[in-house]
Amino acid sequence: DVKVTQSSRYLVKRTGEKVFLECVQDMDHENMFWYRQDPGLGLRLIYFSYDVKMKEKGDIPEGYSVSREKKERFSLILESASTNQTSMYLCASRLAGAGEQFFGPGTRLTVL
Amino acid sequence: QKEVEQNSGPLSVPEGAIASLNCTYSDRVSQSFFWYRQYSGKSPELIMSIYSNGDKEDGRFTAQLNKASQYVSLLIRDSQPSDSATYLCAGLTGGGNKLTFGTGTQLKVEL
Repeated sequence: DVKVTQSSRYLVKRTGEKVFLECVQDMDHENMFWYRQDPGLGLRLIYFSYDVKMKEKGDIPEGYSVSREKKERFSLILESASTNQTSMYLCASRLAGAGEQFFGPGTRLTVL
Repeated sequence: QKEVEQNSGPLSVPEGAIASLNCTYSDRVSQSFFWYRQYSGKSPELIMSIYSNGDKEDGRFTAQLNKASQYVSLLIRDSQPSDSATYLCAGLTGGGNKLTFGTGTQLKVEL
């Protein structure tokens, strides 16, 4: 079974803090993705990565950055957290060329 | 037009009935589609994929793809209360590099 794990299920941070969200997959998938999910807005793609050290902006990259130093790990960074970044953050991975994408359990981030 | 569109619902069906969930897509979406189920507070779980025109069955689930009309549907037979969830439709976009999701349809199966 594909397993995608995320470092925290729940996280509370203060405005202006730097926040790191970690995602690890154990199936040697090339492609990894970060989404945020908000009521009424659905899943929105923040950043994705085709392979190690590669990254592409998604639909809403502003205020975020990413890092992919190892194939199994994809990190999302909020340089200076703001209250409008309070959301559910979901990581996903998939094999290159395949369609099926698998999600981690999510991190519910609250920025106060 | 949004790339992938779904009716948000809620769609209510009685236990044992067939639930029909629909999704339409634009020309920007390639012909590979996926249905995910998401329980409240949980992450999406892949339940079906469909790549070619027609029907694909897996247990109580049937996915249907109609390329001419640009819609995808998911039928759930013998609906159970445990099927109550939000169902997300997704299609490949960006030259097949990423999935674009609809906003989801909430299904309620009532006793």
